[in-house]
Amino acid sequence: DIQMTQSPSSLSASVGDRVTITCQASQDITNYLNWFQQKPGKAPKLLISDASNLETGVPSRFSGSGSGTDFTFTISSLQPEDIATYYCQQYDNLPPYTFGQGTKLEI
Amino acid sequence: QVQLVESGGGVVQPGRSLRLSCAASGFTFSSYGMHWVRQAPGKGLEWVAVIWYDGSNKYYADSVKGRFTISRDNAKNSLYLQMNSLRPEDTALYYCVRDPGGVGYFDFWGQGTRVTVSS
Repeated sequence: DIQMTQSPSSLSASVGDRVTITCQASQDITNYLNWFQQKPGKAPKLLISDASNLETGVPSRFSGSGSGTDFTFTISSLQPEDIATYYCQQYDNLPPYTFGQGTKLEI
Repeated sequence: QVQLVESGGGVVQPGRSLRLSCAASGFTFSSYGMHWVRQAPGKGLEWVAVIWYDGSNKYYADSVKGRFTISRDNAKNSLYLQMNSLRPEDTALYYCVRDPGGVGYFDFWGQGTRVTVSS
């Protein structure tokens, strides 16, 4: 099974800061990587697919990059409504589809 | 608008069974793969099972293989998860998740139904 190592596990930042989260796959997953946002008490929401494709309606301050085994998720200017836990998830080939451990973002 | 509404959760003793349901609306259910993903209290996300759009293929996480069965009824726009031989570690919020290709692309999630396995 492919393991996803996400870091950091938690992060404290200020409004306006640039925030970066990394995710490393245990083997090459090409660009089959999603990023999700989960606000407290809510279901996860897909923000970025295929490592860098911003979903419709998602603010442009969110971005993703990377390929192979190393991936990055960035919020260019942190807003108060971005407080959430963020997860990466790989979907290379057949199941299981594995998630990173999550990054809890606080202000 | 797209809606996925889970039901069937509750408190159950170890070793017993439970059947979860997910009612889909606002899209062509029979064209989408569907998953169950769970989240234990205070923990991260764990993929549980997938069924292809036509029910022809099903895959399971090792942690539930042989105990859980995913199924669907496209005529009723419904997804199911039959959970047998439940264990305390199955305690979680279970999400029904839509996937356009049945390949792990989780583009829409329900709000979840809570399952607690406890004596």
